[in-house]
Amino acid sequence: SAVISQKPSRDICQRGTSLTIQCQVDSQVTMMFWYRQQPGQSLTLIATANQGSEATYESGFVIDKFPISRPNLTFSTLTVSNMSPEDSSIYLCSVDWDRGLPQETQYFGPGTRLLVL
Amino acid sequence: TQLLEQSPQFLSIQEGENLTVYCNSSSVFSSLQWYRQEPGEGPVLLVTVVTGGEVKKLKRLTFQFGDARKDSSLHITAAQPGDTGLYLCAGAWGTGTYKYIFGTGTRLKVLA
Repeated sequence: SAVISQKPSRDICQRGTSLTIQCQVDSQVTMMFWYRQQPGQSLTLIATANQGSEATYESGFVIDKFPISRPNLTFSTLTVSNMSPEDSSIYLCSVDWDRGLPQETQYFGPGTRLLVL
Repeated sequence: TQLLEQSPQFLSIQEGENLTVYCNSSSVFSSLQWYRQEPGEGPVLLVTVVTGGEVKKLKRLTFQFGDARKDSSLHITAAQPGDTGLYLCAGAWGTGTYKYIFGTGTRLKVLA
């Protein structure tokens, strides 16, 4: 399995500012994903980040609002830009970990809890 | 658009009772995963099922993937307070690069 850490674990931010969330994996992985989990809700995929290429965003999410970097196979960042209270959520990164097995496996970081005032 | 509906949405039961959580879709998935998430933590993978009709057991938890790979169920026998949490199913789809669609979630509370 993969061990995933996220920084910061939580933050309180003022509207109009930006926050960059870091995701570090203890092994090299091809696929990394960023999710949003609004209070009491399930997870919604924001984007898929492959090393060496532009992130692929899901419907309703745009690069200007959620720029993503993937500089190497163990690290990624998600920036929440020009924040509003509606951006208050848990942001989670995950990795795809099949290692050639005939089944897809996904492991998650602990999440970043963001409150925008 | 793929959707995964879970039922029930909320469940509160007494310790020792059995329960089943359902995860349904009209879409076919290449595999389906079940997670448990506790407050303040990320989801933790419980199991991945790949083959239609597959049944997997993890101690008191039994997972089944539907024959058509469109639905799944999670059955817990003799629930314990430690089983309390948010249960999420997630379907993998796509060719080459997989994406995951998460279910709506089932919040389980087991009372001692």
